[in-house]
Amino acid sequence: GAGVSQSPSNKVTEKGKDVELRCDPISGHTALYWYRQSLGQGLEFLIYFQGNSAPDKSGLPSDRFSAERTGGSVSTLTIQRTQQEDSAVYLCASSQPGNPYGYTFGSGTRLTVV
Amino acid sequence: QKEVEQNSGPLSVPEGAIASLNCTYSDRGSQSFFWYRQYSGKSPELIMFIYSNGDKEDGRFTAQLNKASQYVSLLIRDSQPSDSATYLCAVNAGGGSYIPTFGRGTSLIVHP
Repeated sequence: GAGVSQSPSNKVTEKGKDVELRCDPISGHTALYWYRQSLGQGLEFLIYFQGNSAPDKSGLPSDRFSAERTGGSVSTLTIQRTQQEDSAVYLCASSQPGNPYGYTFGSGTRLTVV
Repeated sequence: QKEVEQNSGPLSVPEGAIASLNCTYSDRGSQSFFWYRQYSGKSPELIMFIYSNGDKEDGRFTAQLNKASQYVSLLIRDSQPSDSATYLCAVNAGGGSYIPTFGRGTSLIVHP
């Protein structure tokens, strides 16, 4: 596609429910990143996928968070047993080989846990 | 812990003035430095990156890097109301790491 696509754009869920957030990176981009941005806060790194390498999960805040990337393309971020502090905008970004710093961000998923 | 510090602002400048945005970082070994612009409710977009000490100019934007003092700045000349946004500084340690640390951003308001 022309850009990084994220869905849903908005998600309201009840505390304790599981949610799945989807990211479809730009075709040909081998690197994919998930970030979280809480109100008034900077971008918090969550997880990084690069090609077929093992993902860097060092930013995941708890074991309730997990992510996978199928076929080196689409990625799903799953949050189990959601808590109110999980409310944030979840941003996905991708970059292409040879230009690893040229992130393109998706428009994000605004998650609200009530 | 790697830290990237920015004044949250808001920084208010009149139209046509130079806006100066500053960022300091804690990791002396950092190698790559980025400025992203984020409009309200939108996702960040990369506007400048710099790797070497000195200035890098791109149109109305100039990035300045001083590794000895561990700061990077962004100058916006002839500021326009459309430049009003939050500017995020990001720093990458290099050495094979492609995961930059972001600052919290500085809000810039350019008033007519």
